[in-house]
Amino acid sequence: AQKVTQAQTEISVVEKEDVTLDCVYETRDTTYYLFWYKQPPSGELVFLIRRNSFDEQNEISGRYSWNFQKSTSSFNFTITASQVVDSAVYFCALTPRGSGNTPLVFGKGTRLSVIA
Amino acid sequence: DGGITQSPKYLFRKEGQNVTLSCEQNLNHDAMYWYRQDPGQGLRLIYYSQIVNDFQKGDIAEGYSVSREKKESFPLTVTSAQKNPTAFYLCASSKGTDPYSYEQYFGPGTRLTVT
Repeated sequence: AQKVTQAQTEISVVEKEDVTLDCVYETRDTTYYLFWYKQPPSGELVFLIRRNSFDEQNEISGRYSWNFQKSTSSFNFTITASQVVDSAVYFCALTPRGSGNTPLVFGKGTRLSVIA
Repeated sequence: DGGITQSPKYLFRKEGQNVTLSCEQNLNHDAMYWYRQDPGQGLRLIYYSQIVNDFQKGDIAEGYSVSREKKESFPLTVTSAQKNPTAFYLCASSKGTDPYSYEQYFGPGTRLTVT
């Protein structure tokens, strides 16, 4: 069975602080994809990143960076110099590949509040 | 502009009535999905469809029904059999022959309140 755990339910930081959102996953598949989505107050989920299980390189996009470690089954997301506009709920998700593969399994999300 | 539309944004119904939520996409995506989100919860999959005229149950399909007569459209009916229908409903789509490997694009959601 697939499972995604986001242990941090809510995080509050002051603007310009760095913040890391944790994501731990479980799967028996050797090939899988991991995703992060952002849900601002408007409600619509916005895709942030997709990473396959064979690519453990860290990725940086502006103030966002992702650390993928297969050894610890983690795919953590760091926001550098946070801004008020980063306030949202962030979801980590997993989809395995192979026969009978199923759509995304989401974690319960981490609500990030950035205070000015 | 390409995207996914869901209407209406807010929907109110009396208990015991069926209600249909619309979802339309012009992204030419093959796969479409319906999720339910409750406060403090992640997204739970209701139904998904990889091709026209075919769909599969997700984790919480009881009390819901769908149809996929056109590639662009994937309406969701919340029936009176659904015990707790009040929730935020999100529709999504993805591309590719292996659509689950690709990112999903989401609509703005419909907030359904049943009293």
